[in-house]
Amino acid sequence: GENVEQHPSTLSVQEGDSAVIKCTYSDSASNYFPWYKQELGKRPQLIIDIRSNVGEKKDQRIAVTLNKTAKHFSLHITETQPEDSAVYFCAASTQAGTALIFGKGTTLSVSS
Amino acid sequence: GAVVSQHPSRVICKSGTSVKIECRSLDFQATTMFWYRQFPKKSLMLMATSNEGSKATYEQGVEKDKFLINHASLTLSTLTVTSAHPEDSSFYICSARDSSRADTQYFGPGTRLTVL
Repeated sequence: GENVEQHPSTLSVQEGDSAVIKCTYSDSASNYFPWYKQELGKRPQLIIDIRSNVGEKKDQRIAVTLNKTAKHFSLHITETQPEDSAVYFCAASTQAGTALIFGKGTTLSVSS
Repeated sequence: GAVVSQHPSRVICKSGTSVKIECRSLDFQATTMFWYRQFPKKSLMLMATSNEGSKATYEQGVEKDKFLINHASLTLSTLTVTSAHPEDSSFYICSARDSSRADTQYFGPGTRLTVL
């Protein structure tokens, strides 16, 4: 089955810096890769997703890149703000709507 | 995004009792919902896929007789933890697939189960 590895497990940055979180997956059939942000005690919120026919997608300060050959995808957050502090999870599935397999999460701390 | 609710948000029960958790899609129909379990400071672990009108598909290692799933309508899936024990204490989160929004999955707020 699919296995998703996520790094780093914790990431501390200064406000205004960029943050990058990387994930690798094992199943070459996977073609849907969402990223979720989860604040303490709350539900995961979808922040961006990418499908395998696209190499990069951007939404304001957030971008995701996908390298299908290498089976890895990354989340990039620019101009970080304290409210970006949360746990971020990457996930993969063989298509949108099927079960998501999650990475272990990255705790991002943005200090002002 | 779409709205998914869960009820109850928090439940405390005695060992040996059963607890039912409801997951509802409020503004869309969901033929497929998913149940996850999350331990403190850990990732979401998929327990089962709930399909409307048919039996749930359980992940390896998840006891189907202990975690009963029913998806009787297009907006409701229930997870019943039977004969709960302290090791079942966890945060249970559901998600629902919205086919009108490119099959994006939206999560419920979660249910904190504590078994005494």
